[in-house]
Amino acid sequence: EAGVAQSPRYKIIEKRQSVAFWCNPISGHATLYWYQQILGQGPKLLIQFQNNGVVDDSQLPKDRFSAERLKGVDSTLKIQPAKLEDSAVYLCASSLDNRAQYFGPGTRLLVL
Amino acid sequence: RKEVEQDPGPFNVPEGATVAFNCTYSNSASQSFFWYRQDCRKEPKLLMSVYSSGNEDGRFTAQLNRASQYISLLIRDSKLSDSATYLCVVNGGGSYIPTFGRGTSLIVHP
Repeated sequence: EAGVAQSPRYKIIEKRQSVAFWCNPISGHATLYWYQQILGQGPKLLIQFQNNGVVDDSQLPKDRFSAERLKGVDSTLKIQPAKLEDSAVYLCASSLDNRAQYFGPGTRLLVL
Repeated sequence: RKEVEQDPGPFNVPEGATVAFNCTYSNSASQSFFWYRQDCRKEPKLLMSVYSSGNEDGRFTAQLNRASQYISLLIRDSKLSDSATYLCVVNGGGSYIPTFGRGTSLIVHP
C-alpha cells in the first residue's frame, strides 16, 4: 500500500516570498492533517480536514497560511508571505478512522 | 499548563536496560492515545496505540492511567536501534483533534 506522498521534499525561499506544499494521503483515508515541526519540538497541528471540510484550524496563522483539500483527496498548504520563523518541517498525515495517523516524509522549508 | 507534557530527556541508557517514559495530558475528556517514534530527520512512525487495558508489543508496553491523566511507555531489553525520539499523542474533542508532546529523546549506548 502506498504511503502518504509529499512534495517538494526541500524548499529554500527568501522572506516575503510565497511557497506551496502538496500532499496526497493514503487511499481511502478521509482525515488529513498538516503539521509544522520546529527542530526540538513535537509536531504542531495547523489544520485537520475530514474529507474536504475543515475540522480544526485554530493554530493556523490565517494571515499568511492557507490550506485546501479540494475533492477530499489531495491537499495543498500555502504560505504567503513567508517569514524567517516559518523555517520548519511541514508534515502531512492521514488517518482512516480519526485515530492512528500515518505521516508523509515532510517538506523541509528554509526561509532566508 | 501545556496540554501534553513529556520529559524531553535525553535518557541515556546501556543496551539491555529497561526504560520508561511518561506523558501527562490536561484534557480529561481525551479519547485516544498513541506513541510514535521519530528518528533524526525522519517523519514520526506509529509505534503503538494505548488502550485502557494496556497493551504490549514485544519489548514495548504502553499503559493509560485516566485517573492521573498520563500514559506510559516501557521498553525492555533496550537495543541500540531503539535510539530515537518518542512522541506521545493525545486525541481530544468530538473530532479527535490530536495534540503531540514535544518528545522524549532516548539514547541507547553499547
